[in-house]
Amino acid sequence: ELKVEQNPLFLSMQEGKNYTIYCNYSTTSDRLYWYRQDPGKSLESLFVLLSNGAVKQEGRLMASLDTKARLSTLHITAAVHDLSATYFCAVHPSSGTYKYIFGTGTRLKVLA
Amino acid sequence: EAQVTQNPRYLITVTGKKLTVTCSQNMNHEYMSWYRQDPGLGLRQIYYSMNVEVTDKGDVPEGYKVSRKEKRNFPLILESPSPNQTSLYFCASSRWDTTQYFGPGTRLTVL
Repeated sequence: ELKVEQNPLFLSMQEGKNYTIYCNYSTTSDRLYWYRQDPGKSLESLFVLLSNGAVKQEGRLMASLDTKARLSTLHITAAVHDLSATYFCAVHPSSGTYKYIFGTGTRLKVLA
Repeated sequence: EAQVTQNPRYLITVTGKKLTVTCSQNMNHEYMSWYRQDPGLGLRQIYYSMNVEVTDKGDVPEGYKVSRKEKRNFPLILESPSPNQTSLYFCASSRWDTTQYFGPGTRLTVL
């Protein structure tokens, strides 16, 4: 069964602190996506990671991909309140299916 | 403006009454997909379409139908809705193998 697991599921952190969200997946995949969802809103794309060792950065967020370990990380640097949202990773398996498998999401709350 | 639109945004219906949620995109994307979002379960893919007249099941297709007669439209059909289909539904589109663009969501309640 294809699974995508995110850790932690909930994260409450102080402004200015650093933290990492982990995304583990159980199938071979050479592309991984990160999305952000604000409360009551739709999803918006953050990063697309296309190969082993890929690293992307946007502002205080940096995402990386290790396809051998089947692991992606989303690192938050010096968190600010505006980063409070739910973050999802999603995997597109490379086994011939055109499905997308999403993680259950990490709900991040940044406290002022 | 590039966008994915869904209608209706909110719908309350009763068990067994057929309904259709429309989805349209103006980006000429080949890939379109439907998801449902439930608390604690993340997003689960219902159906997807790689192009016109090409559709396939996602992880939770039971109780749903789709069609792709035109590239821009991908309606979701519930022939006989049941309370366990109460959920938040998202339509998404993309070029093949790129990030997906999501619609605003449709909140469905089945009584």
